[in-house]
Amino acid sequence: QSVLTQPPSASAAPGQRVTISCSGITSNIGSHTISWYQHLPGTAPKLLIFSTNQRPSGVPDRFSGSKSGNSASLAISGLQSEDEGAYYCAAWDDSLNGGVFGGGTKVTVL
Amino acid sequence: EVQLVESGGGLVQPGGSLKLSCAASGFTYDDYAMNWVRQAPGKGLEWVSGLTWNSGTIVYADSVKGRFTISRDNAKNSLYLQMNSLRPDDTALYFCAKGLTLHPSGAFDYWGQGILVTVSS
Repeated sequence: QSVLTQPPSASAAPGQRVTISCSGITSNIGSHTISWYQHLPGTAPKLLIFSTNQRPSGVPDRFSGSKSGNSASLAISGLQSEDEGAYYCAAWDDSLNGGVFGGGTKVTVL
Repeated sequence: EVQLVESGGGLVQPGGSLKLSCAASGFTYDDYAMNWVRQAPGKGLEWVSGLTWNSGTIVYADSVKGRFTISRDNAKNSLYLQMNSLRPDDTALYFCAKGLTLHPSGAFDYWGQGILVTVSS
């Protein structure tokens, strides 16, 4: 069971918007910034968002992150077929003194 | 171009040992924390261990504490994971992951392709 809680799946039609939630507690999301990763089969995970809402260079602005209290979310707008894959949130946890991930959300483009 | 290349994986019996290596290039290695993250078959990502740029702070997930040892050699731009007392539930694809700052955090901007470790009799 993962420390951060994500829905197992999410879906939307091409061009639509999908939002993925990530729920934690004070010692992780409540106290630290969040990062989000895209993981496609057979590839290395890719950083999409760091510091809760910052995009690395090269990541389209269709991807955006936010946080409120002990919860965070990743929004993908203008959904494209190549966005299909697994998405993970991550943060530092002060109680565990280590990194923690969500269980992952599989995004399907209908 | 940043590159992280893992090696040293394979099949090992329960109770056995294995040492993973990660060769880094394309960035100033000793300016960043480094980490190991794993993914068991059909499961999600799990952070395993991380250390600061100078190995001054080393942290482990509870699931590997006391069995795994992370280390780095800044002169060789290399990261290591010594895995002892291996169990079947350590079977996973192990990724080397670069941190964003000097200290371990929940953020990793570059990842290797991963190396498979299988623990089975």
